[in-house]
Amino acid sequence: DVKVTQSSRYLVKRTGEKVFLECVQDMDHENMFWYRQDPGLGLRLIYFSYDVKMKEKGDIPEGYSVSREKKERFSLILESASTNQTSMYLCASSPSGKDSGNTIYFGEGSWLTVV
Amino acid sequence: GDSVTQMEGPVTLSEEAFLTINCTYTATGYPSLFWYVQYPGEGLQLLLKATKADDKGSNKGFEATYRKETTSFHLEKGSVQVSDSAVYFCALRFSGGYNKLIFGAGTRLAVHP
Repeated sequence: DVKVTQSSRYLVKRTGEKVFLECVQDMDHENMFWYRQDPGLGLRLIYFSYDVKMKEKGDIPEGYSVSREKKERFSLILESASTNQTSMYLCASSPSGKDSGNTIYFGEGSWLTVV
Repeated sequence: GDSVTQMEGPVTLSEEAFLTINCTYTATGYPSLFWYVQYPGEGLQLLLKATKADDKGSNKGFEATYRKETTSFHLEKGSVQVSDSAVYFCALRFSGGYNKLIFGAGTRLAVHP
C-alpha cells in the first residue's frame, strides 16, 4: 500500500520560530511536492523536488525553503514563522517520467497554527 | 497562465440526489485532468482521472468526461450518499512538467439524510 507520511498532524508555533515539516514516502518516487491549502484558494504549490538535492520553486515560495537529502524524505522549512503562514500543509509524491497521468499521492496533511 | 475554475460551494444535497460539480480549465496544451476528494480531517485521494479528450474517468459511482471543445471536466454522480460529504478538487497536469498539479479552489459537498 502506498504511503506518504507527514510526521506532525497538528502544530502550534510562535511568531519568529523556525519550523520543520517532515514528509516521508515509501514508493521510491523521484518527485515530491509541498502544497499549502487555504479555504477558497485550493492548493497552491510551494516547492517541489525532482531528485535528491534538487528543488524548484512553485507558485508561492516566499518565506519557505526545502531540503531533500534522501530520496524518501522532503522537508519544508519556515525560517521565521509568521501568522500568515497558518495553514494546512500537504506533502505529495509521484513517479517521474513523461506520463502526465501518473498518480500523485498525498499525505494526510499538517495543520500549522502560528500565534 | 494555466488555471482551473470550479463552481463555488458549499453544495448541499439530500441523500440519493443527483450531483454535478462544474469544472472548467484554461490551458495552452492538452493536459491530463483529475478529480481529488478530501474527506474531513484527511489528505487528498485521487477519485478519477482522464488523460485525453473524450476519455471518461469513473470510480465509486462518480464520473467525469474530458471535453476538449468546452474545456470542461464536470463531476457527476447519480445518487449521492451521506458518506460522499467531502471537499472535491478538480486539477490539471501536463507531461514534462515534473507532474505538477494545478488545482481549483475546491467545492465542499454536504449530503443530508
